[in-house]
Amino acid sequence: EVQLVESGGGLVQPGGSRRVSCAASGFIFGSFYMGWVRQAPGKGLEWVANINKDGSEKFYVDSVKGRFTISRDNAKNSLYLQMSSLRVEDTAVYYCARDWNGLDHWGQGTLVTVSP
Amino acid sequence: EVVMSQSPATLSVSPGERAIFSCRASQSIANNLAWYQQKPGQAPRLLIYGASTRATGIPARFSGSGSGTEFTLTISSLQSEDFAVYHCQQYNKWPPWTFGQGTKVEIK
Repeated sequence: EVQLVESGGGLVQPGGSRRVSCAASGFIFGSFYMGWVRQAPGKGLEWVANINKDGSEKFYVDSVKGRFTISRDNAKNSLYLQMSSLRVEDTAVYYCARDWNGLDHWGQGTLVTVSP
Repeated sequence: EVVMSQSPATLSVSPGERAIFSCRASQSIANNLAWYQQKPGQAPRLLIYGASTRATGIPARFSGSGSGTEFTLTISSLQSEDFAVYHCQQYNKWPPWTFGQGTKVEIK
């Protein structure tokens, strides 16, 4: 069974940093692109970043370019999102998702709250 | 960037009735469209990919159609567990992948 489990959310002050992680199991992690999608409270879904199978290609939504970094460790079956220079508008539940025919599996999400 | 627009924002439907959702892309995305269901407090779940292919384990009452810029999700007979928010997403021209704003299905 495919499982994606996020961790690392919490309260961060504006301008601060946070790293969220996603532990994958139940599939060959290194064979799939992976991504992060966020959802601000009461809002819709917003794609944040994607990474290819070996981590050599990374893609970001414009609003996080230069501030967020997606990475992966295939030996540890893990996906990461390093977030810096956080803004109040980055407050959201962050989901990791497997990229296959759309986003075919999602984690339960981890809430990052950016507030003074 | 491909802008995705969903209508209506809210759909009021009685159990057993048919529900039809629309999703429009600002430019052609071929059939590279997915539909997701999201219940309160839960992660989205993939329902349909390739505009019309049901994901694993999705009941046959869910069907998708369309190509190019106009897409439709139909639930043939709404069950109690289907009351949720439905999102469409294009994965043809990226980055960025883009989502519609969602359609909420509520009990009439």
